[in-house]
Amino acid sequence: EVQLVESGGGLIQPGGSLRLSCAASGFTVSINYMSWVRQAPGKGLEWVSIIYSGGSTYYVDSVKGRFTISRDNSKNTLYLQMNSLRAEDSAVYYCARVAGGLRGPFDYWGHGTLVSVSS
Amino acid sequence: SYVLAQPPSVSVAPGKTARITCAGNNIASNSVHWYQQRPGQAPVLVIFYDTDRPSGIPERFSGSNSGNTATLTISRVEAGDEADYYCQVCDSSSDHPVFGGGTKLTVL
Repeated sequence: EVQLVESGGGLIQPGGSLRLSCAASGFTVSINYMSWVRQAPGKGLEWVSIIYSGGSTYYVDSVKGRFTISRDNSKNTLYLQMNSLRAEDSAVYYCARVAGGLRGPFDYWGHGTLVSVSS
Repeated sequence: SYVLAQPPSVSVAPGKTARITCAGNNIASNSVHWYQQRPGQAPVLVIFYDTDRPSGIPERFSGSNSGNTATLTISRVEAGDEADYYCQVCDSSSDHPVFGGGTKLTVL
């Protein structure tokens, strides 16, 4: 059974850093495209970042230079390192698998982890 | 960047048909995926590659994509279908995923 379990969210002051983790089971992270998607309170879904099976990484413009997506193949885990956090980064962060390559759907999602950026 | 426009809300009586649209420039040249999100829950894929249904999704859910509009159709709507629905494509110019703004389906 495929499962994605996020952790690492919490309350952080503006300018601070957090690292989100997404532990996967039932499939291999390293041979799939994996993404982070966020949802601000009461708002819609926003794609944040993607890592290709080959290791290339991409980001939405608003987080470029501040967020870094990575994976640990030995732990079958996806990460999102978030630095210089801003109030507008407050959201539930979901990790999701992209099925079948770049243009495929997000077929499995985690339950999400809440990040609150506030002083 | 590529923009997907959805109506903020759609209302339908139980047993009737709901149609949720997703508008984008020449969207028919993209593969559209649809997600259902109930309050407090993670999104769930309900339609992928325009018309395909994942296992476990009722046949009442169907999709189409033509011209500048993709449509999610829910037949014989039930109270349990009340949720937010999002369309999504991969923007061919940036190769980045893009979501529509979401549509809240209300079952009257």
